[in-house]
Amino acid sequence: QKEVEQDPGPLSVPEGAIVSLNCTYSNSAFQYFMWYRQYSRKGPELLMYTYSSGNKEDGRFTAQVDKSSKYISLFIRDSQPSDSATYLCAMGRGAQKLVFGQGTRLTINP
Amino acid sequence: EADIYQTPRYLVIGTGKKITLECSQTMGHDKMYWYQQDPGMELHLIHYSYGVNSTEKGDLSSESTVSRIRTEHFPLTLESARPSHTSQYLCASRKEQETQYFGPGTRLLVL
Repeated sequence: QKEVEQDPGPLSVPEGAIVSLNCTYSNSAFQYFMWYRQYSRKGPELLMYTYSSGNKEDGRFTAQVDKSSKYISLFIRDSQPSDSATYLCAMGRGAQKLVFGQGTRLTINP
Repeated sequence: EADIYQTPRYLVIGTGKKITLECSQTMGHDKMYWYQQDPGMELHLIHYSYGVNSTEKGDLSSESTVSRIRTEHFPLTLESARPSHTSQYLCASRKEQETQYFGPGTRLLVL
């Protein structure tokens, strides 16, 4: 069993929909959590970084961490075609290397 | 915006050639990483470094080698390229528990 599980999709939704992307993990020692967006043939770019349980909002994006359930989510409101990309969750502990999910491929249809 | 650079961005080369993929960052990060990613597939860590003169193999076995002589520079070398090495190679860096930044990637095609 992988340390981090992420549904690879693909996920296809209409423009304007609320999108929910999720990851579960098994290592309760993870301390910080990140979401990356990766466009085709590009490097991943950081979207959100959270260090504790709770919610963090940045524009149309909200990251949610539930350490008790070992579950993190990324919500995208008012989704746009430009949000079409692969979304990767990542998590870490101390100075150890990050563990990444497999990535979810998202398509927003105009 | 992250100050991490990779060259070349694209490389087409014949089998048996020696290649070096360059990665440099100007953020003073101690930790640097190389990932391999095939199209539509997940990231695989192949090498990492926690500082100058420190290099470790990652989770995915790779025939490539790396060096870390300067903090800002983390090149990856393939002594003899093969078609099985065709992939995208992503370099990344971070400082302690802070966020990790990725470079734009090098797309390698070995004929």
